[in-house]
Amino acid sequence: QSALTQPASVSGSPGQSITISCTGTSSDVGGYNYVSWYQQLPGKAPKLMIYDVSNRPSGVSNRFSGSKSGNTASLTISGLQADDEADYYCSSYTINSGVFGTGTKVTVL
Amino acid sequence: EVQLVQSGAEVKKPGESLKISCKGSGYSFTTYWIGWVRQKAGKGLEWMGIIYPGDSDTRYSPSFQGQVTISADKSTSTAYLQWSSLKASDTAMYYCVRGRSVAARTGGFDYWGQGTLVTVSS
Repeated sequence: QSALTQPASVSGSPGQSITISCTGTSSDVGGYNYVSWYQQLPGKAPKLMIYDVSNRPSGVSNRFSGSKSGNTASLTISGLQADDEADYYCSSYTINSGVFGTGTKVTVL
Repeated sequence: EVQLVQSGAEVKKPGESLKISCKGSGYSFTTYWIGWVRQKAGKGLEWMGIIYPGDSDTRYSPSFQGQVTISADKSTSTAYLQWSSLKASDTAMYYCVRGRSVAARTGGFDYWGQGTLVTVSS
């Protein structure tokens, strides 16, 4: 299966909102409500930010939210802060395995 | 406290075999899926495979099927990722991860190991 498609980069100014898209197929994103999002800071292991499309784990800021429409999932970061600058990856359950997105570098201007 | 502690960095030659480990603690090892994720330097995350230690049900990404073997030892709460013949293209950081949902492959990966750097070079 192919990696889910994400924009290579997204940028925004502090306080703004940005949205990262994650496009798959009916065999992954579109077929199940099991999309998750991860934040990876430089040199660190990724961190789960959103699971099952729109749920936040305990301790994750409510500035992070997720949604899905058809074969495309989205992560929105509101009130952008300097420490949100990182790489973000989506991931989806598939019937026999799983798949990650291509990754998006978020830059805070 | 849930922890996944991985074995240390490895330097190997092409053609050699390797088995790296991931020891889980602070939770019921047999009731959560545990998986492996590859990340090459400067590149994205790649979903390799996942195992349910309770019954050893294992799923592989098509890209990694036949290239690696994932296993788990319930008695020591340790998962393994192994290669029978390494290639230079296997050079990467490898993370072990825990599925968030009890007994299910859904819900994302909530805990990540610190990573094991594997370097394959002649």
